[in-house]
Amino acid sequence: DAGVIQSPRHEVTEMGQEVTLRCKPISGHNSLFWYRQTMMRGLELLIYFNNNVPIDDSGMPEDRFSAKMPNASFSTLKIQPSEPRDSAVYFCASSPDGENTEAFFGQGTRLTVV
Amino acid sequence: DQQVKQNSPSLSVQEGRISILNCDYTNSMFDYFLWYKKYPAEGPTFLISISSIKDKNEDGRFTVFLNKSAKHLSLHIVPSQPGDSAVYFCAASAPYAGNQFYFGTGTSLTVIP
Repeated sequence: DAGVIQSPRHEVTEMGQEVTLRCKPISGHNSLFWYRQTMMRGLELLIYFNNNVPIDDSGMPEDRFSAKMPNASFSTLKIQPSEPRDSAVYFCASSPDGENTEAFFGQGTRLTVV
Repeated sequence: DQQVKQNSPSLSVQEGRISILNCDYTNSMFDYFLWYKKYPAEGPTFLISISSIKDKNEDGRFTVFLNKSAKHLSLHIVPSQPGDSAVYFCAASAPYAGNQFYFGTGTSLTVIP
């Protein structure tokens, strides 16, 4: 398996523009996570899906952020409108069901909003 | 509110010596703990884990210790090697939270040759 695949790897956009980050989880994994890495908060969980259903979105910072998982092999994280403080590295991760499992991370998308 | 805390943002260790990375947690419901390693421009990768029924788990040069009463875990790397230089994240999960993982802020380890 190729692992968790994220696109794009880098995104530079102007303030106010819409940004869409994409993720393909590992086949067979039932859980999908979106994380944001910042210096202050480390790896901050934004939203968690299980079997394509959002289970916990309490980490989504504002209404400007939204995430979807239309099927088991694809998820998007959208920011509209984007702001400079959204600049960070965004990671997608997936994990199989079961106890004591681990999350497998993609390589991340580095977002810069200017 | 940060439920998993890594209070040391950085650590420098001489090659060949022991590296000790610490992690504290506040939620007594956490029953599974993991360490991840992250190189620049890459995603975090799983390193080692421990269940709450154990107090120690060893894998080669890496050992994780868990002190449930103190809500503290540590990662020992011995001997440390320059290739171990990376950011290390501590993570925890609880049965009620499904597969949700709570991460700390990370500790940047530099192993000096």
